[in-house]
Amino acid sequence: ETGVTQTPRHLVMGMTNKKSLKCEQHLGHNAMYWYKQSAKKPLELMFVYNFKEQTENNSVPSRFSPECPNSSHLFLHLHTLQPEDSALYLCASSQEWGVGTEAFFGQGTRLTVV
Amino acid sequence: AQSVAQPEDQVNVAEGNPLTVKCTYSVSGNPYLFWYVQYPNRGLQFLLKYITGDNLVKGSYGFEAEFNKSQTSFHLKKPSALVSDSALYFCAVRDPSNSGYALNFGKGTSLLVTP
Repeated sequence: ETGVTQTPRHLVMGMTNKKSLKCEQHLGHNAMYWYKQSAKKPLELMFVYNFKEQTENNSVPSRFSPECPNSSHLFLHLHTLQPEDSALYLCASSQEWGVGTEAFFGQGTRLTVV
Repeated sequence: AQSVAQPEDQVNVAEGNPLTVKCTYSVSGNPYLFWYVQYPNRGLQFLLKYITGDNLVKGSYGFEAEFNKSQTSFHLKKPSALVSDSALYFCAVRDPSNSGYALNFGKGTSLLVTP
């Protein structure tokens, strides 16, 4: 147990659906991240939030919309996704952004777009 | 730009033998380097990191890694492999002189330890 909890663990959605992924951390961290993990590819950083402010958006399509209402919670809102968006979506948090702090990861949400 | 490379897709080791998982990096400044492990259907777990100081870093589950600046490498090692070490291993780098703050990961190396 890393202190970072993601729900749901599995999600199947149609291309016209709207759904949200949730991440919660109980570590008192102030930076949170969304990563996408696809088979045979490096982890792709999607979004970074530091003290609830979005600091990075790595050219992610607008069908992915993040929300960070407070330092403990992070959401990823999904709408009109494509089959190639099927992947494992990982949330992570760290004490600070930058410097030498390691990130702690949730178990991920396995997303399948049909 | 900062990047990390893991040249091997898979490493096979017999139980009890030493293991090495390779990682090389490219950054413009002094790197912060990390190793993570991922078991099936799980998130990434932190193993160890190099920030500064001693080039040999010890981490969780008996793993260690050696920072080699001249070869720009940070290979993960363990003296005696266990079957339970079988998992996916990721090397990651952060360049403190870069304006980006999140970790950049390699594509991962699958480690298979056979009995």
